[in-house]
Amino acid sequence: AQSVTQPDIHITVSEGASLELRCNYSYGATPYLFWYVQSPGQGLQLLLKYFSGDTLVQGIKGFEAEFKRSQSSFNLRKPSVHWSDAAEYFCAVGPNNNAGNMLTFGGGTRLMVKP
Amino acid sequence: DTEVTQTPKHLVMGMTNKKSLKCEQHMGHRAMYWYKQKAKKPPELMFVYSYEKLSINESVPSRFSPECPNSSLLNLHLHALQPEDSALYLCASSQEAGNTIYFGEGSWLTVV
Repeated sequence: AQSVTQPDIHITVSEGASLELRCNYSYGATPYLFWYVQSPGQGLQLLLKYFSGDTLVQGIKGFEAEFKRSQSSFNLRKPSVHWSDAAEYFCAVGPNNNAGNMLTFGGGTRLMVKP
Repeated sequence: DTEVTQTPKHLVMGMTNKKSLKCEQHMGHRAMYWYKQKAKKPPELMFVYSYEKLSINESVPSRFSPECPNSSLLNLHLHALQPEDSALYLCASSQEAGNTIYFGEGSWLTVV
């Protein structure tokens, strides 16, 4: 069965500092990988996704993520955090066989930004 | 344009009421989903519709009844809910089941 672990429940960074949110997955083959962001009281917005090809993927709002097969990781990064980035971040994996969607979410990481 | 629209944004209902949550997308997506999200938790899949047919029901109690009238609309009918059903209900869609999923803003449900 597939699973996703986000080791950090809470992270606090200063505005302007760099950010890395960790995501580790367990899956038998190369999965589809996603990062979503959820602002308080809002739905989930897709930040970026990885299906195949270049292992460094660029997303919206200046975020990027790198797929590392050897480490089963898909960490999210941003070089300079803005106060508006404070939100809950979810990593998710899905099967790559188009056999119906079974997105599995990690537990989420809450990002707080200090002024 | 990746817009999934949900109504109402907030709903308060008694345990004997019957209400519905509505979801609409005009992206031509053929798969639509209902998720339930409790506070500080990730979303949990409830139902998946693919080409207007229910393809996945994650053992959801019968007091939740989904309906897909056409390829653009998805409803969730609610009846005899319990206070523990209070949560954020998220609708989502994708081009096909298994593709990238796009979420709506959610409907906040409070059962009193």
